[in-house]
Amino acid sequence: SQQGEEDPQALSIQEGENATMNCSYKTSINNLQWYRQNSGRGLVHLILIRSNEREKHSGRLRVTLDTSKKSSSLLITASRAADTASYFCATPSNDYKLSFGAGTTVTVRA
Amino acid sequence: DAGITQSPRHKVTETGTPVTLRCHQTENHRYMYWYRQDPGHGLRLIHYSYGVKDTDKGEVSDGYSVSRSKTEDFLLTLESATSSQTSVYFCATLEGYEQYFGPGTRLTVT
Repeated sequence: SQQGEEDPQALSIQEGENATMNCSYKTSINNLQWYRQNSGRGLVHLILIRSNEREKHSGRLRVTLDTSKKSSSLLITASRAADTASYFCATPSNDYKLSFGAGTTVTVRA
Repeated sequence: DAGITQSPRHKVTETGTPVTLRCHQTENHRYMYWYRQDPGHGLRLIHYSYGVKDTDKGEVSDGYSVSRSKTEDFLLTLESATSSQTSVYFCATLEGYEQYFGPGTRLTVT
């Protein structure tokens, strides 16, 4: 069963704008991960945030985690055409299994 | 794709025929996974393996079986393919908390 759910389902932005997507989950977690999937490809790990962290940065990515609200957000700043992809949050159902949401599809317009 | 290959990449088969998909990894990772990806459902776990000859069911295992006779190979078999098994199938491995994905196999059952 899906633990995480992303919102919105789809997002269209102009190149250079920021893109924000959210993930809500149901049960307590010790970490949350975000993955990217380009069209026709497998998922690629972007970033992991642990339950004791509130914010984490990686290049143009900023991830927040609010364990009290059971939610996370992924912000992509200064978007580029290459950021066009689907983005998934993933939460562990145990130490070696992940549960993925249905994803947010981001389209960056030139 | 972190040394993960899948074969075939595309397959069209008829209802009722058996189908085997292969996943091969070069990273010597212990855990391997088979997912299916369908619109609106994200990734759903079919089966996973935690070592040679050690496998377990995921959330959508009905109609699928797996085998792992070597660390590097994880096979997914559809015993008698049905149209509901038309999907994109992804193999993944685990290192630490991160999963690494193969490029996917697009299977169409007619």
